[in-house]
Parts: sequence; C-alpha cells; structure tokens
Amino acid sequence: GQQVMQIPQYQHVQEGEDFTTYCNSSTTLSNIQWYKQRPGGHPVFLIQLVKSGEVKKQKRLTFQFGEAKKNSSLHITATQTTDVGTYFCAGPGSGGSNYKLTFGKGTLLTVNP
Amino acid sequence: DTGVSQNPRHKITKRGQNVTFRCDPISEHNRLYWYRQTLGQGPEFLTYFQNEAQLEKSRLLSDRFSAERPKGSFSTLEIQRTEQGDSAMYLCASSSPSGSSYNEQFFGPGTRLTVL
Repeated sequence: GQQVMQIPQYQHVQEGEDFTTYCNSSTTLSNIQWYKQRPGGHPVFLIQLVKSGEVKKQKRLTFQFGEAKKNSSLHITATQTTDVGTYFCAGPGSGGSNYKLTFGKGTLLTVNP
Repeated sequence: DTGVSQNPRHKITKRGQNVTFRCDPISEHNRLYWYRQTLGQGPEFLTYFQNEAQLEKSRLLSDRFSAERPKGSFSTLEIQRTEQGDSAMYLCASSSPSGSSYNEQFFGPGTRLTVL
C-alpha cells in the first residue's frame, strides 16, 4: 500500500537557523497536506498542496509539491522557539479513498533559544 | 468551543476490560475519522464515517474494535477485551463537505488509553 516517508526524523537547530523537512511517497499523490503537532497536543492543519510544482508560503514557512507529485518539502526560515513541534506530511489513503490520510512518521523540530 | 471534543481525555484500564471513547465533531462537519497514534509515529487511520455510514475500516483494525455514529453527529469507538498493545492516543478528526474534496481535517485533543 501507499507509504509516506519523512526525513529527517529529528532536527535540532539554534533559534534563527533555517529548517527543512522532506516527504516522499511511493506513489503519485493527488494532494498532500502538512500538519503540526506541538508537544502534548494534537495535529493542526497547516496547508494543502494540489498542483504539480506548487509553492505556497505562510509567513516564514514555504511549502513545495514536487513536479511528479511524489514529494514535498516544508522549509522554515529563521526558526523561532514557537516553531517547536512535530511536522507531519499526509497523503490521501490508498484504495481510492481521498478522505482518509496516510501520515508520515513526522519530523520533530527542537529549537535552542 | 466549536472544535472537536473527545471524552475521556485519559483512560487507564486493565487488560481484558472493554473501553468506549466518544468524539463530538464540529457541528457542520459530515465526515468523521478515527486515528490511533503511538509515540514517535504519525496518526494511523482506523475508520471513517460520512454522516452515519461507516465507509471505510482499516485492515489493521481487529474485530475487537467497533465504531458507531448512530445519528451522524457524535461517534463512539469501543475496544473489547483490551490488550497492552492497544495503549495509544486515539484521535478523532472531522472535515467539512464544502469546497474541495481534499478537505483539511480538524483533530480533537485525543483520548490517551493505557492498558495495564
């Protein structure tokens, strides 16, 4: 079945440094979503990418969807302590379902102030 | 609070006992999902409802798990004869039918189950 792989698993940065997490799928995705989960919290939707090669920005966050729609990335510029958390990418489930999500294992970001 | 709510937030039970969790989605959302999350992993899909119909169930879900959404509003997830391997965070999410088919999902705070 479909798998969504994320790297790195962990990333520790100094405040002000940039951060990037990468997501790769074994199959072509119709769309990809990104979620953030703060320590002790629940996943919170960040963004959805649908188009091949799409790039979206949210303040210091930049999201990209690959041309082949099999990979995606999230880049954070000048990290802040509020960016701490686990970032998950998620693709639609296999078997024709566009509604359930298949999550990667996530990248845990810690920021040293 | 108009977000997704889940009860209880924590549940400790002994192996072999039955447990039931409740999820109240955002009121206008017709799709409701259950996920399970263990430490260091992403949420894992369990089952999905559209209104009161259970449209999909994960192959990973054993017969000890059952979910209902009788009136298309709140949902319950029951685990019978709990095992230690069932210990996890059980997350509920809901999404709206409006707009794109690929709707964002709004997650509740989860129910943390510990099986002793």
